Amino acid sequence: ETGVTQSPTHLIKTRGQQVTLRCSSQSGHNTVSWYQQALGQGPQFIFQYYREEENGRGNFPPRFSGLQFPNYSSELNVNALELDDSALYLCASSLGRGINTEAFFGQGTRLTVV
Amino acid sequence: AQSVAQPEDQVNVAEGNPLTVKCTYSVSGNPYLFWYVQYPNRGLQFLLKYITGDNLVKGSYGFEAEFNKSQTSFHLKKPSALVSDSALYFCAVSPPDKLIFGTGTRLQVFP
Repeated sequence: ETGVTQSPTHLIKTRGQQVTLRCSSQSGHNTVSWYQQALGQGPQFIFQYYREEENGRGNFPPRFSGLQFPNYSSELNVNALELDDSALYLCASSLGRGINTEAFFGQGTRLTVV
Repeated sequence: AQSVAQPEDQVNVAEGNPLTVKCTYSVSGNPYLFWYVQYPNRGLQFLLKYITGDNLVKGSYGFEAEFNKSQTSFHLKKPSALVSDSALYFCAVSPPDKLIFGTGTRLQVFP
């Protein structure tokens, strides 16, 4: 088991609503990345935070936003939910940036939009 | 743009037999390649990575991967499969600061 925890584990929301997903990174890790994994697909990069600043963003609309706190935990916020937002949302923490840093993933939050 | 392809949706193998899960990549510059495994209702677990050096990379749980630059491949291998290896396997390439995943290959190991 990694030290990355996500909450909640499951969530059901109605189209148009807003949702906040949370991630506690592994102790000592200062970088958090978020991924969306639709059913039957590989995870897609949403964005990354390094020391509370956004450090890269994938091809997701602005209604996907995030925060990283001084303790390096993180939130993913999604506004105006659409049915296609239904997916497993994964958080990954790492120490520092770059290709030599290993990412540790949480168990994910499964979001269902109805 | 960097990408990976996993040509097989599912691989079936008998327990005790060797297994191979295929991955090909497309990158500009040096490839940084990873394999992750996902068990049901779980997040991704790191298996191994290739950054530079030996073409044969050894990882967790007895898995290894062979980097082949001429064939742009990074196939995952294990000499003797276990039923507990049954899971979803993802190959990924890393431009700095993010991972680009393939669509995944489901490995089914039969007793």
